Amino acid sequence: GAGVSQSPSNKVTEKGKDVELRCDPISGHTALYWYRQRLGQGLEFLIYFQGNSAPDKSGLPSDRFSAERTGESVSTLTIQRTQQEDSAVYLCASSLNFGQGSEKLFFGSGTQLSVL
Amino acid sequence: LAKTTQPISMDSYEGQEVNITCSHNNIATNDYITWYQQFPSQGPRFIIQGYKTKVTNEVASLFIPADRKSSTLSLPRVSLSDTAVYYCLSGLGGKLIFGQGTELSVKP
Repeated sequence: GAGVSQSPSNKVTEKGKDVELRCDPISGHTALYWYRQRLGQGLEFLIYFQGNSAPDKSGLPSDRFSAERTGESVSTLTIQRTQQEDSAVYLCASSLNFGQGSEKLFFGSGTQLSVL
Repeated sequence: LAKTTQPISMDSYEGQEVNITCSHNNIATNDYITWYQQFPSQGPRFIIQGYKTKVTNEVASLFIPADRKSSTLSLPRVSLSDTAVYYCLSGLGGKLIFGQGTELSVKP
């Protein structure tokens, strides 16, 4: 596609339910990133994937959070047993190159998650 | 890990030049400096990137001194539509850490 696509754009769930967020990166982009942005705050790094290398999961806030990526395509971020503090916009980005210092991240519009 | 520091907010008026400075004291030798712009309800958008000295594109200029411990984003003749949050970012691929950003408010 022309840009990074995220779905759903909005998700309302009840506390304790599991949610799955999807990201379709730009075709050919080898690196994929997930960030969380709470209302009025900056971007909080969650995880990144680069090709077939093991992902850097160091930013995931708890073991309720997990992410997968199939090859160099779609990624899903799963949040189990959601809590109200998980409410935020979840942003996905992809980049063509990686590890060269000149990455340019292309972001999707995000998924607004609201946990009631 | 590369960490950046920027002013939390800035105010300006239409037609003025705006300069936003970012501090990145522990920038590594191979790190580039990249600036992004974010409007409400949208993901950040790439503005400009540089390694040293000066870079200019159709949107902005980026000034990086010789020690590369800071950088300045310059927006010429801002308009109301430049009201947004601006983030600077330095670091190699991977755990790219965004700072809190600078909220720029352009007034008529």
